[in-house]
Amino acid sequence: EVQLVESGGGVARPGESLRLFCAASGFTFDDYGMNWVRQAPGKGLEWVSGLNWNGGRIGYADSVKGRFTISRDNAKNSLYLQMSSLRAEDTALYYCARGRSITGAVYDSFDIWGQGTMVTVSS
Amino acid sequence: DIQLTQSPSFLSASVGDRVTITCRASQGISSYLAWYQQKPGKAPNLLIFAASSLQSGVPSRFSGSGSGTQFTLTISSLQPEDFATYYCQHFNSFPLTFGGGTKVEIK
Repeated sequence: EVQLVESGGGVARPGESLRLFCAASGFTFDDYGMNWVRQAPGKGLEWVSGLNWNGGRIGYADSVKGRFTISRDNAKNSLYLQMSSLRAEDTALYYCARGRSITGAVYDSFDIWGQGTMVTVSS
Repeated sequence: DIQLTQSPSFLSASVGDRVTITCRASQGISSYLAWYQQKPGKAPNLLIFAASSLQSGVPSRFSGSGSGTQFTLTISSLQPEDFATYYCQHFNSFPLTFGGGTKVEIK
């Protein structure tokens, strides 16, 4: 079964850091680009960051640029999001999402989503 | 950055209705647009990719059209399970962005 499972969420104070993990299974991980998408409580979807199959092309939303770092380990079928200098507005459910194309492109729609991991930033 | 504006933000419809949702891009994005359905407490589900291509497993009552800056998602005959929130998303260039969403509720 094709699956993405996120972990690493929790409660952090403003200015602190958290690292999110996404474990992939059921498909050839390094065939696909990967992304993080978040959703604040009661709000819409916001793309956070994405990278292509080998991490050679990376992009970030303006709201997280310079604070968040995306990476992947194809040997471990894993995607990561290092979040630093957290702010209250980073409070959201963070989804890991797979790019649809088997070319591993970075510009893509998202066909497989995890169930999300919640991040709460509060003093 | 490319902004996506969805309309309407909310619509009330009955089972069997034909429903159309519009997504307008702030600049041309060719056909690099996708549509998603999201139900409460669930992750989004890809319906349409490349503006008009139906994702595998998605019912044929869903269709997408458009290119450039104007796109539409049409549900030909609304079913009870279609009451949800719908989002468009572009993948033309960084940063990728989503529209604000359209909530479809039962009249």
